Amino acid sequence: DQQVKQNSPSLSVQEGRISILNCDYTNSMFDYFLWYKKYPAEGPTFLISISSIKDKNEDGRFTVFLNKSAKHLSLHIVPSQPGDSAVYFCAASGRGGADGLTFGKGTHLIIQP
Amino acid sequence: AAGVIQSPRHLIKEKRETATLKCYPIPRHDTVYWYQQGPGQDPQFLISFYEKMQSDKGSIPDRFSAQQFSDYHSELNMSSLELGDSALYFCASSLQGRTYEQYFGPGTRLTVT
Repeated sequence: DQQVKQNSPSLSVQEGRISILNCDYTNSMFDYFLWYKKYPAEGPTFLISISSIKDKNEDGRFTVFLNKSAKHLSLHIVPSQPGDSAVYFCAASGRGGADGLTFGKGTHLIIQP
Repeated sequence: AAGVIQSPRHLIKEKRETATLKCYPIPRHDTVYWYQQGPGQDPQFLISFYEKMQSDKGSIPDRFSAQQFSDYHSELNMSSLELGDSALYFCASSLQGRTYEQYFGPGTRLTVT
């Protein structure tokens, strides 16, 4: 059973516009949520995380929103740039004590020039 | 900035052989995580160590074992290799068990023939 779900396998956005990547989860025990960016044959690159006690976290062009009641989070990238084209993984973890991450299947973001 | 180092980057083994993958965390990081990513799959958590003690355990087969050494590097030992073990193996590290800030290495691609 997939506890972290990214229902859009791919997303195409025009350069300069906003990219919105969505993620849903089923496990109420998740305490932290993370977003990673991944290029083929490379390791995931950490982008941003959010604790379950917050509803928003911002870092430069990246903002993550968390809606606990809906068990939904989203990553906003503004403005989108060609270098943002990659696979984006949503991940979640439990209590925070060196817990392993549970990943979604990923969304392939394509930024169109 | 120094990143997570994994060696070797590529490894080819035959069925029933053994393999050892190594991970050197970011300097000062004391927590290490291992993940397995099959073709077209999301990364699956295997095991983690904090201060040289096993912290969390995921879907690690009994044929695999891991440990963390006094200098915080970690080794993943894989025995009786099967074709299905062919995958990318990622190591991630964090500081003081901060599961919400895991930084990944470039991965080791293991091919079992």
